[in-house]
Amino acid sequence: GDSVTQMEGPVTLSEEAFLTINCTYTATGYPSLFWYVQYPGEGLQLLLKATKADDKGSNKGFEATYRKETTSFHLEKGSVQVSDSAVYFCALISGSRLTFGEGTQLTVNP
Amino acid sequence: GAVVSQHPSWVICKSGTSVKIECRSLDFQATTMFWYRQFPKQSLMLMATSNEGSKATYEQGVEKDKFLINHASLTLSTLTVTSAHPEDSSFYICSAPSLYEQYFGPGTRLTVT
Repeated sequence: GDSVTQMEGPVTLSEEAFLTINCTYTATGYPSLFWYVQYPGEGLQLLLKATKADDKGSNKGFEATYRKETTSFHLEKGSVQVSDSAVYFCALISGSRLTFGEGTQLTVNP
Repeated sequence: GAVVSQHPSWVICKSGTSVKIECRSLDFQATTMFWYRQFPKQSLMLMATSNEGSKATYEQGVEKDKFLINHASLTLSTLTVTSAHPEDSSFYICSAPSLYEQYFGPGTRLTVT
């Protein structure tokens, strides 16, 4: 079946540091890929998405590129802020069913 | 974008009682909705798929008689936790698909004492 693997957390960075959160997937066909963010005590919000190979999703300074050859969708941000502290989930969709990665807790210190 | 609401956002109930959680799609219709459970510091676990006008589809290991799902209309699905126990305490999140995207509710924190 489909699966998503994220790098283990938690990740702690200083403000303005570079962020990478790795995500790889296993799926039949060509799924759409997503990054969701969950702030403390809240539900999930879509951060960005990519629907086909080589697509780059971007939002709020975050980027991720759909790499079919490496089955990856790594999340990056050039300069993180304290307000980026949250849990980040990589996910893929097959039909209308989402499969989530384990989530990566990010803490950004001032 | 589309909005999904949940009610209540937070509920405390006594062991042995039942609690109902509502999930509504506010500006679109959803023939399918999904119910997830999230334990602290863990990912979302799909519990069941709610289907308007028909029975819900439960994931393996999820008790149908304990987690009753009713999808009575195109904008409302309810999850009832029956005879709740402390181990049912969790964060319950619903989602609904619109076009090619899933929209998530803000979640319901259930605490069973």
